[in-house]
Amino acid sequence: KQEVTQIPAALSVPEGENLVLNCSFTDSAIYNLQWFRQDPGKGLTSLLLIQSSQREQTSGRLNASLDKSSGRSTLYIAASQPGDSATYLCAVNYGQNFVFGPGTRLSVLP
Amino acid sequence: DTEVTQTPKHLVMGMTNKKSLKCEQHMGHRAMYWYKQKAKKPPELMFVYSYEKLSINESVPSRFSPECPNSSLLNLHLHALQPEDSALYLCASSRTGSNTQYFGPGTRLTVL
Repeated sequence: KQEVTQIPAALSVPEGENLVLNCSFTDSAIYNLQWFRQDPGKGLTSLLLIQSSQREQTSGRLNASLDKSSGRSTLYIAASQPGDSATYLCAVNYGQNFVFGPGTRLSVLP
Repeated sequence: DTEVTQTPKHLVMGMTNKKSLKCEQHMGHRAMYWYKQKAKKPPELMFVYSYEKLSINESVPSRFSPECPNSSLLNLHLHALQPEDSALYLCASSRTGSNTQYFGPGTRLTVL
């Protein structure tokens, strides 16, 4: 069964800290993995997409890595800001079957 | 422009009503998706259309009926829903099935 988990479930940090969010998946036969953020009651905003052949993707203060063989991806957020507060979801693409993790709820305190 | 639009934003319906949700994108994407998201849960895939053909149906009850009239438009027809079907319904699109998905803001559905 294709399962995706994320740890921690929730995280609260002071502004300015660097932080790491983790995503694990049981089936390593993936097409790609995508990180999203979701604000309460809103749709999902795409942050980064990593293809199965890639190891890393960067966008601004965000860096995502992928280790397909171990079934892991991490999202690194540098110099966190209160505006980064949201739920972060990873989604694994198994060929048009997208499986989401439960998300990490992040609070960045001013 | 990476916008996916969804209408209506909110919908309240009785169990005997028939209603439709609409999703539109003008990015030339050829894959479109419907997801259901319950409160504090991740989205769950319901349907995938690829090149206007239904390619994945994740064992969704027949009271949900998708339709893809053209490459820009995706509908979800609702009939005889149950209160447990109340959720946020999200539409997404991607250039193909292996590309970045872009999500709309969702329709908040309440079934009374």
